[in-house]
Amino acid sequence: AQSVTQLGSHVSVSEGALVLLRCNYSSSVPPYLFWYVQYPNQGLQLLLKYTTGATLVKGINGFEAEFKKSETSFHLTKPSAHMSDAAEYFCAVSVLGNQFYFGTGTSLTVIP
Amino acid sequence: DAGVIQSPRHEVTEMGQEVTLRCKPISGHDYLFWYRQTMMRGLELLIYFNNNVPIDDSGMPEDRFSAKMPNASFSTLKIQPSEPRDSAVYFCASSPAGLAAIQETQYFGPGTRLLVL
Repeated sequence: AQSVTQLGSHVSVSEGALVLLRCNYSSSVPPYLFWYVQYPNQGLQLLLKYTTGATLVKGINGFEAEFKKSETSFHLTKPSAHMSDAAEYFCAVSVLGNQFYFGTGTSLTVIP
Repeated sequence: DAGVIQSPRHEVTEMGQEVTLRCKPISGHDYLFWYRQTMMRGLELLIYFNNNVPIDDSGMPEDRFSAKMPNASFSTLKIQPSEPRDSAVYFCASSPAGLAAIQETQYFGPGTRLLVL
């Protein structure tokens, strides 16, 4: 069975500090991995995704994530938080058979 | 492109009433997804279609929920009869087929906020 776990439903960081949002997955087959962001009262939009190739993936707004197969992780990072990064972040996994799974989300607060 | 369009954006109804949510996917996208988002359960995939055909409806909570996609540019999610526990934000998303749907980005609509009293 496949699943996605996001550690920490709420994360607070100071403006300018490192952002680290954690995502671990469970999959018996190679997964495809995604991070989506949701701003208040909006739908989700893609930040970045890993399908094949380089395991360090760069996305929009300065975010990046690294696929670590040995750790079954796909943590999202940004070197310096900005006030506009305050949002809900979702990790998602898709696997063969067209199965899609989303994590429960992490709410990021940026403190001025 | 206008993106995924959902209507209505907000719906307030009374328990027992029928509710119909509508979605227009991005033109040319072959996959359409319906999700439900609540504080308690997070984001749940209800059903998805490929080329207008339902592929997996295992996430549909019960028989009160039904979804249709009569053509490539329109889908509905219907709840009949509605109950207070159906209150949630319902999202529609679409994606191109590409090499494989599982590699493709899903493009989400703005959602329909449903409140059942």
